Amino acid sequence: EDKVVQSPLSLVVHEGDTVTLNCSYEVTNFRSLLWYKQEKKAPTFLFMLTSSGIEKKSGRLSSILDKKELFSILNITATQTGDSAVYLCARRGDMRFGAGTRLTVKP
Amino acid sequence: SAVISQKPSRDICQRGTSLTIQCQVDSQVTMMFWYRQQPGQSLTLIATANQGSEATYESGFVIDKFPISRPNLTFSTLTVSNMSPEDSSIYLCSVEGAGGRTDTQYFGPGTRLTVL
Repeated sequence: EDKVVQSPLSLVVHEGDTVTLNCSYEVTNFRSLLWYKQEKKAPTFLFMLTSSGIEKKSGRLSSILDKKELFSILNITATQTGDSAVYLCARRGDMRFGAGTRLTVKP
Repeated sequence: SAVISQKPSRDICQRGTSLTIQCQVDSQVTMMFWYRQQPGQSLTLIATANQGSEATYESGFVIDKFPISRPNLTFSTLTVSNMSPEDSSIYLCSVEGAGGRTDTQYFGPGTRLTVL
């Protein structure tokens, strides 16, 4: 049984589109939620979310956590081909990762 | 952000041998972790490397197979012992608490291990 579930598993969009990636988790062992981008080998840190309802932003990426409904979303606006990657979320506490969402941005 | 290096970056090993992977950080960190990522899979936490004490292993991972050292706040090693082809994977270290920040967690570049 998955403790951290990401959806969709894959997504294909065109440049300029806005995408929303989802991550739901079980509350057991929860301390915070992390988002990563993985292109080749090592994941690149994006966000760590601890408080509910507070949006974190970095350029075209933003993320928010809902601790009541036990989920987080990662938004990417005005997508570019360089955003193509696997996006991973993880529950900090036991560091359980979701399966990831593979995003493909077509020109 | 922290600068993390891993050695070796890749290796091809024979069945039954052992390989030690090093993780070096350019600043002191509070937490260091070791992960495995098998082909096409997500990341799985092997253990938390504790400075000055035994590592904390996750279910399914044991010290005899994956001994870990962390002699100080900037360095850790993971040994993959008595390797079999099933150990072929990317092994990554990650760190938390670099620069006193507890809201970030960074990964090293990884070590790609192939066991023949």
